[in-house]
Amino acid sequence: KQEVTQIPAALSVPEGENLVLNCSFTDSAIYNLQWFRQDPGKGLTSLLLIQSSQREQTSGRLNASLDKSSGRSTLYIAASQPGDSATYLCAFKAAGNKLTFGGGTRVLVKP
Amino acid sequence: ETGVTQTPRHLVMGMTNKKSLKCEQHLGHNAMYWYKQSAKKPLELMFVYNFKEQTENNSVPSRFSPECPNSSHLFLHLHTLQPEDSALYLCASSQEGANQPQHFGDGTRLSIL
Repeated sequence: KQEVTQIPAALSVPEGENLVLNCSFTDSAIYNLQWFRQDPGKGLTSLLLIQSSQREQTSGRLNASLDKSSGRSTLYIAASQPGDSATYLCAFKAAGNKLTFGGGTRVLVKP
Repeated sequence: ETGVTQTPRHLVMGMTNKKSLKCEQHLGHNAMYWYKQSAKKPLELMFVYNFKEQTENNSVPSRFSPECPNSSHLFLHLHTLQPEDSALYLCASSQEGANQPQHFGDGTRLSIL
């Protein structure tokens, strides 16, 4: 059974600190790995998509890395802001059009 | 605004009712998805449609019945639901292809009495 694990489940940091969110997956034959953000009562917003041939993707203060051989991805958020408070989800796509999601990391950035 | 609109945003229904959830995408995508998000469980894929054809049914009970009349609209028909079906139901769309990101709506919060 394909699985995605996100650690930690919750994280609280003071404003300005860097955030490191971890995602591990069991299927090495992935097409891509995607990071999403979910605000309370809302849907998912796609942040970064890393194709299986890539090692990392960057967008502004966000950087995501992918190590297929070890089944790991890490999302870095530099200089965190209170507006970064949300739940962050990772998901991988393998065969077919199916995304398999982790349970998420709930982040609180305190002013 | 994500380009994927779901209605209603909230729905409360009894176990014997029949209702439908609606999803509409304005992104020109040709694949659409239904997901279920329950408390304390990862997001679960329910159904996938590519070019209006169902290509995945993730062992979903028959009390959930999807319908995709065209590439822009997706419905989820509900009947005789159980309390454990209370959840956030999310719709997503994408271009068909291995490395196309999925775009999500804000979901319908469903409560079964």
